[in-house]
Amino acid sequence: RKEVEQDPGPFNVPEGATVAFNCTYSNSASQSFFWYRQDCRKEPKLLMSVYSSGNEDGRFTAQLNRASQYISLLIRDSKLSDSATYLCVVNGGSNYKLTFGKGTLLTVNP
Amino acid sequence: GAGVSQTPSNKVTEKGKYVELRCDPISGHTALYWYRQSLGQGPEFLIYFQGTGAADDSGLPNDRFFAVRPEGSVSTLKIQRTERGDSAVYLCASSPTLVGNEQFFGPGTRLTVL
Repeated sequence: RKEVEQDPGPFNVPEGATVAFNCTYSNSASQSFFWYRQDCRKEPKLLMSVYSSGNEDGRFTAQLNRASQYISLLIRDSKLSDSATYLCVVNGGSNYKLTFGKGTLLTVNP
Repeated sequence: GAGVSQTPSNKVTEKGKYVELRCDPISGHTALYWYRQSLGQGPEFLIYFQGTGAADDSGLPNDRFFAVRPEGSVSTLKIQRTERGDSAVYLCASSPTLVGNEQFFGPGTRLTVL
């Protein structure tokens, strides 16, 4: 089982749609969880950290279920500019080593 | 302020050659990381420095790979006897301290081994 597994995608949605990404992780000792965004041929950038209580940042909502070892990202009212690859990232208990999923490509169409 | 910079942005080399990839972290960041991203994959951890020392090099694929950070700032990733399978984007990241800080990534070096 891979350490971090994501929806394989790709996702193609119209502007204004709501889209959800799912991710599971295998290391129960993981302490920190993130969603990163990566534009084509660019570096990954932190989109948001994910907390057990769930957290929201504008149109983006992240959820963490430690019991199920499951992380999600919800994007509401999607914009053309949301088109990117979304990477589920877990800190596997080491406090420094980030483990990335393969990423899910999202394309928002006009 | 300036972000993480990496040079060169692109490197094409022939199988068997030696290459060096450079990373300039954000000023004042003590932690530095190297990752490798192959096509269609997420980045994979290679090595982590805290200051001048390599605290964890468990991600280096084999002994052809080596990295240094002699003065605790700039780091160089060195690959000997390159192979076609080494072709990837090599990403460097830095963070202010060890625990829990966001890692800021550089634009990467795209290495192509012919």
